Amino acid sequence: GAVVSQHPSWVICKSGTSVKIECRSLDFQATTMFWYRQFPKQSLMLMATSNEGSKATYEQGVEKDKFLINHASLTLSTLTVTSAHPEDSSFYICSALSEGGSYEQYFGPGTRLTVT
Amino acid sequence: EDQVTQSPEALRLQEGESSSLNCSYTVSGLRGLFWYRQDPGKGPEFLFTLYSAGEEKEKERLKATLTKKESFLHITAPKPEDSATYLCAVQDYGGSQGNLIFGKGTKLSVKP
Repeated sequence: GAVVSQHPSWVICKSGTSVKIECRSLDFQATTMFWYRQFPKQSLMLMATSNEGSKATYEQGVEKDKFLINHASLTLSTLTVTSAHPEDSSFYICSALSEGGSYEQYFGPGTRLTVT
Repeated sequence: EDQVTQSPEALRLQEGESSSLNCSYTVSGLRGLFWYRQDPGKGPEFLFTLYSAGEEKEKERLKATLTKKESFLHITAPKPEDSATYLCAVQDYGGSQGNLIFGKGTKLSVKP
């Protein structure tokens, strides 16, 4: 149980283009999902909290117009990196908050984004 | 300010050599402490949640314990497949539901 998938697992795009990453909870409903970013040899940094049916909450320093988040259903959240630049290259990981009030987050396998 | 410090940064063990990883934390009110395992190029895999001092949880060769200031992840008779980075994270009662504060992790290498 508590499986989270991400698609794609890796993507290469040209500078100036946009990239969409999907995050799905496969066997449970997730009213709340999270998007993290991880740079090499560093830990995870929370970018934003995604709530089904409402606007995402962004952490300080994260540009909401650049990182568009949509949580359209109880099993799907998407992150769109708009007008990507090489400095946006990173490992993006989503997680979903478990049901039942345990506060546990289950993570997806991550998406490696490379902007050339 | 909430803080999580993990030590050591890296740990090399021989197969069968038991050891412990440390996670020291500072929060105003602990909602939960979480241990994850992360393999290279993959997302973190959930291991344990601890909620209150004195609590212990076990899973195969791993045992997590919690005090008011720190948590330990004990690894008994490790195998090479236990090699990974182990992440500790805390959630503060004062924070939002999702705000996990992660440590930098301990990279464990187990040699056969």
